[in-house]
Amino acid sequence: KNQVEQSPQSLIILEGKNCTLQCNYTVSPFSNLRWYKQDTGRGPVSLTIMTFSENTKSNGRYTATLDADTKQSSLHITASQLSDSASYICVVRVRGGYNKLIFGAGTRLAVHP
Amino acid sequence: DTEVTQTPKHLVMGMTNKKSLKCEQHMGHRAMYWYKQKAKKPPELMFVYSYEKLSINESVPSRFSPECPNSSLLNLHLHALQPEDSALYLCASSRGVQSNEKLFFGSGTQLSVL
Repeated sequence: KNQVEQSPQSLIILEGKNCTLQCNYTVSPFSNLRWYKQDTGRGPVSLTIMTFSENTKSNGRYTATLDADTKQSSLHITASQLSDSASYICVVRVRGGYNKLIFGAGTRLAVHP
Repeated sequence: DTEVTQTPKHLVMGMTNKKSLKCEQHMGHRAMYWYKQKAKKPPELMFVYSYEKLSINESVPSRFSPECPNSSLLNLHLHALQPEDSALYLCASSRGVQSNEKLFFGSGTQLSVL
């Protein structure tokens, strides 16, 4: 069964600190892995898309890693800001057919001053 | 313009009402999607349109009726909804349905069914 699991479910950190969010997946056949940021009541916004051959991809203070052998990904946030408070969703695309995406349940991050 | 615009932002309707959600994009995208998202849950795919043709219906009840009048617009017609249909309804678009296409999401319509 295609599944995407994220940990932790929720996380509280202080402004300026770093954090790392985890994503494990059992999706086959694999096409790519995406990280989205979703503010409460808003649509998800794409942060990164990584294919099988990519190990690391950065977008500003966000750095995603992918280990296709162990089927794990992480999202590292550097020097957190209050505006980073949101849900971070790991999404894996199934290869072939239409744009079928398997969504994780998300990690809810709260950055406190 | 890299926006997907959804209207209305909020909608409250009774179980006997008929209403429509609207979605618009001007990025030239040929694939458009409707997702339903319950609180603290990930989005669930409802419909996929590719080149204005319905290509995927994820076994959605007939009280939800999608429509794609042209390549820029996507509607979701609602009729005789149930309270459990209350959710955030997200529209998304992509250039096509190919593997590395990024999905652009709208801000959603928060729907409450009374």
